[in-house]
Amino acid sequence: DIVMTQSPDSLAVSLGERATINCKSSQSVLHRSKNKNYLGWYQQKPGQPPKLLIYWASSRESGVPDRFSGSGSGTDFTLTISSLQAEDVAVYYCQQYFSTPLTFGQGTKVEIK
Amino acid sequence: QVHLVESGGGVVQPGRSLRLSCAASGFTFNTYGMHWVRQAPGKGLEWVAVISYDENTKYYADSVKGRFTISRDNSKSTLYLQMNSLGAEDTAVYYCAKDLTSSLEHVFDYWGLGTLVTVSS
Repeated sequence: DIVMTQSPDSLAVSLGERATINCKSSQSVLHRSKNKNYLGWYQQKPGQPPKLLIYWASSRESGVPDRFSGSGSGTDFTLTISSLQAEDVAVYYCQQYFSTPLTFGQGTKVEIK
Repeated sequence: QVHLVESGGGVVQPGRSLRLSCAASGFTFNTYGMHWVRQAPGKGLEWVAVISYDENTKYYADSVKGRFTISRDNSKSTLYLQMNSLGAEDTAVYYCAKDLTSSLEHVFDYWGLGTLVTVSS
């Protein structure tokens, strides 16, 4: 199984500042022939289901604000919130879909400082 | 507007069975793979199972393999999860989720609100 490890477990950022979340996979999730990284990011607010933010490591889902961006390749990935807004307080998860079983990171809780 | 509505959760004794349903609307159900994902109280997300649009492909997490069965009825736009031999470790909110594309990419673009399953004597 591919193990996904996020860091940090939690972070507090001032409004308008940048938030950076890292995700590392235990093996590469880059499909070389397709040149795609099978990595997604989700946001989960309290009492709500997760919401897809990013897929293919850097493709933003329709309707997601452009302050959210994804980067990385192979085994190391980053979700960046360029200017944190109050409504971004949530837990963020990365997920690999390179192989089954599909696996998630443990989550990173983002709060306002 | 895509809607996924889970039902069938509740309190069940250890060792018993339960069947969850997920009613889908707002998209062409019979062309997309569908998933079940669960979340234990206060914990992270755990993928449970996936089924292709035509039921020909099914995969399960090791933790449920041999106990849970995923199925679908395309005529009713409904996804199911039959859960047998339930244990305390199966206590969770169970979400159904739609696959992003019809090619079974295994990324989830729409989720239901979930149904809570509590396994307790």
